[in-house]
Amino acid sequence: DGGITQSPKYLFRKEGQNVTLSCEQNLNHDAMYWYRQDPGQGLRLIYYSQIVNDFQKGDIAEGYSVSREKKESFPLTVTSAQKNPTAFYLCASSNAGAINEKLFFGSGTQLSVL
Amino acid sequence: KNEVEQSPQNLTAQEGEFITINCSYSVGISALHWLQQHPGGGIVSLFMLSSGKKKHGRLIATINIQEKHSSLHITASHPRDSAVYICAGEQGAQKLVFGQGTRLTINP
Repeated sequence: DGGITQSPKYLFRKEGQNVTLSCEQNLNHDAMYWYRQDPGQGLRLIYYSQIVNDFQKGDIAEGYSVSREKKESFPLTVTSAQKNPTAFYLCASSNAGAINEKLFFGSGTQLSVL
Repeated sequence: KNEVEQSPQNLTAQEGEFITINCSYSVGISALHWLQQHPGGGIVSLFMLSSGKKKHGRLIATINIQEKHSSLHITASHPRDSAVYICAGEQGAQKLVFGQGTRLTINP
């Protein structure tokens, strides 16, 4: 079955540590996105990529980094510069440029600080 | 002021009731997505619409471009419909602006 797989489901970070969240899709979608969700707030865009080897900052990119070396994969690294990383992280994909295209979401990763 | 505003924030109803969730949005949003988030956190896309009305099973989504307003309706609601419903406006280049969500609880 086609879909988006995020791992791990739960992740704990120590002070000063970088951690990487995985996102893989087999939908052959060009565009991939990372969102952050905090309690009581709407999702906010961290980074997005519309094509391999290219990505753009979203609204809250500080303290995060991404790569897009393969079409199927868009990992997100939460660096030590992100001072408030505890949140629920969602990866999504869509066909870039397609009109009236739905978004497909992964099941999310809950990141907490130890 | 948020670019996408949802109401109500919380809604509790009895099984079988007709449910309406509202979404108002600002200028510059070309299309509206309705999403459903279950307690486990995963999100499912329900509808994407830029005009008129769409229906899928017991779910109906409408949009009024002139009034910049969209509604999500659920007919014959069921406890399994309990979830957070999120509307999101598309601002071009695949950028979405999200509402805060409406937590719906359907009691048996």
